[in-house]
Amino acid sequence: QLLLEESGPGLVKPSETLSLTCSVSGGAISSYYWSWIRQPPGKGLEWLGFFHYDGNTDYNPSLKSRLIISVDTSKSQVSLRLTSVTAADTAVYYCATSATSDGFDVWGQGTMVTVSS
Amino acid sequence: DVQMTQSPSSLSASVGDRVTITCRASQGINNHLAWYQQKPGKVPKVLIYAASTLHSGVPSRFSGSGSGTDFTLTISSLQPEDVATYYCQKYNTAPLTFGPGTKVDIK
Repeated sequence: QLLLEESGPGLVKPSETLSLTCSVSGGAISSYYWSWIRQPPGKGLEWLGFFHYDGNTDYNPSLKSRLIISVDTSKSQVSLRLTSVTAADTAVYYCATSATSDGFDVWGQGTMVTVSS
Repeated sequence: DVQMTQSPSSLSASVGDRVTITCRASQGINNHLAWYQQKPGKVPKVLIYAASTLHSGVPSRFSGSGSGTDFTLTISSLQPEDVATYYCQKYNTAPLTFGPGTKVDIK
């Protein structure tokens, strides 16, 4: 059973870089497309981007200039790096993948990130 | 980029009612559409993928239909545990955009 767990700082200062990690267990990290999705408080879901071990990567155009998603197979971790954050980046951040079907059928529990000085 | 819209944005219905939520894509996406349920304070769960295929373990009162640009999610008999926000999402090509959501509660 594939399990995902996000981790990272709960508070980031404006203009700084947000770095999050998604730890993967129960499956081979190289086998899946890994996405990050976020949800600002009281708002809807926003897909941020995906990474696949074969090099296939794509990002939401609204974030493309600030976002990098990568995978560390030795640690079985998926990482998100978002630069120059503002209050608009305050959200719950989820990692997710399509393990057994189309659509995101495996999600982490999410990690709340607040951007504030 | 393809935009996703949903209607209504919220609805209130009685237990046992048939509920229908509509999702529209600004361009054709074949059947590459998923529906998610997110209960308050919880992680989203996939209900339907490929527009009409029920994900494993999802109650049969949920169904999906549509292709191209217009899609529907139907709850045949609304139950108290169905109180949630429902999102559609396209996944044919990036960006994998979500709809804005439809909040469902009990009258």
